[in-house]
Amino acid sequence: DVKVTQSSRYLVKRTGEKVFLECVQDMDHENMFWYRQDPGLGLRLIYFSYDVKMKEKGDIPEGYSVSREKKERFSLILESASTNQTSMYLCASSLGGPLHFGNGTRLTVT
Amino acid sequence: KNEVEQSPQNLTAQEGEFITINCSYSVGISALHWLQQHPGGGIVSLFMLSSGKKKHGRLIATINIQEKHSSLHITASHPRDSAVYICAVRPYTGNQFYFGTGTSLTVIP
Repeated sequence: DVKVTQSSRYLVKRTGEKVFLECVQDMDHENMFWYRQDPGLGLRLIYFSYDVKMKEKGDIPEGYSVSREKKERFSLILESASTNQTSMYLCASSLGGPLHFGNGTRLTVT
Repeated sequence: KNEVEQSPQNLTAQEGEFITINCSYSVGISALHWLQQHPGGGIVSLFMLSSGKKKHGRLIATINIQEKHSSLHITASHPRDSAVYICAVRPYTGNQFYFGTGTSLTVIP
């Protein structure tokens, strides 16, 4: 069974801090995604990656960057956290079939 | 512009009722997914469809490619079915998915 693991379930950070959200999948999936989920807005794509060192912007990349140095790991970086980045962040992976999601990281920026 | 529309947004049902959630989309797709998210929980994939109908236990998903429409049915609903159900489509081109905003289902005992 595919396992997608996000490093933290809850995070509280201060405005201006650099924040790293880590995601690891164990099934050799090529495609990995970072979404944020906000009430009434559903899932919105921040970035995705279809191979090591490859990345593409999603719908809302501003204020975020990503890193994919190894196939199993996809990191989301908030360069300078702001209060409007308070949200639930979900990582997912896929091999062209079903999406497999991590449990999410609820980030609060104060 | 939202490529995926779900209805209803919220749904309350009595235990045992038959439930239908609808999804319409506007792009050509290679597959449609139904996802389930329990409160505070992660998202799990229920079905992936490209045609016809699939059944798993009390859940049935159908898709009409010509009409760009899918339905998720729950027979003999139970309080443990209370969750948000999300429709997602994968367009023919690209690796992205488009998501509906979800249907929040509450089943009352």
